[in-house]
Amino acid sequence: DQQVKQNSPSLSVQEGRISILNCDYTNSMFDYFLWYKKYPAEGPTFLISISSIKDKNEDGRFTVFLNKSAKHLSLHIVPSQPGDSAVYFCAARNAGNNRKLIWGLGTSLAVNP
Amino acid sequence: DGGITQSPKYLFRKEGQNVTLSCEQNLNHDAMYWYRQDPGQGLRLIYYSQIVNDFQKGDIAEGYSVSREKKESFPLTVTSAQKNPTAFYLCASSGGFEYQPQHFGDGTRLSIL
Repeated sequence: DQQVKQNSPSLSVQEGRISILNCDYTNSMFDYFLWYKKYPAEGPTFLISISSIKDKNEDGRFTVFLNKSAKHLSLHIVPSQPGDSAVYFCAARNAGNNRKLIWGLGTSLAVNP
Repeated sequence: DGGITQSPKYLFRKEGQNVTLSCEQNLNHDAMYWYRQDPGQGLRLIYYSQIVNDFQKGDIAEGYSVSREKKESFPLTVTSAQKNPTAFYLCASSGGFEYQPQHFGDGTRLSIL
């Protein structure tokens, strides 16, 4: 039972364009959402997060949008760069369950020069 | 330089052998976590510790054991009872404030000989 779903296993974007990665969740107890970037054989690197009391958070080229009524969040990368090519994981924290993180399966982003 | 150090990067285990994976952090974080990643999967929580001398089972604790005798250290032992130990193991830590992301080490890849 996948509580955090990243329905696109892969995404390909041209350099300079916008990358939009999507994440859906099912549990209304989630109160904190995070995006991580991961290269092969390395640990995930934290990118950006958003709490459930906000609908947008921005950090440089990265913006996360949260639509609580739709239980949907998205990560926008503008402009996309070849170095952004990696696997992106969405994670959600369950406020009612020792604040454990629940992870999506990831989306592999390829930014083409 | 603050961070999380996992060692070794690669580890080989013979059948029936216990092995211990090291995780050390100098971020002064209270909470530490162990995850397992298999190909095409998200991160699955093995064990976590929110304070020294205390730890809880995650979603896939069978065949694993941990200790938390020091704030900086959270070693994971993969026992012979773990029937499918080949995986990429990731250690993470997080601070005690309300909305704090988990930060990860670079992982240990465990293989069976």
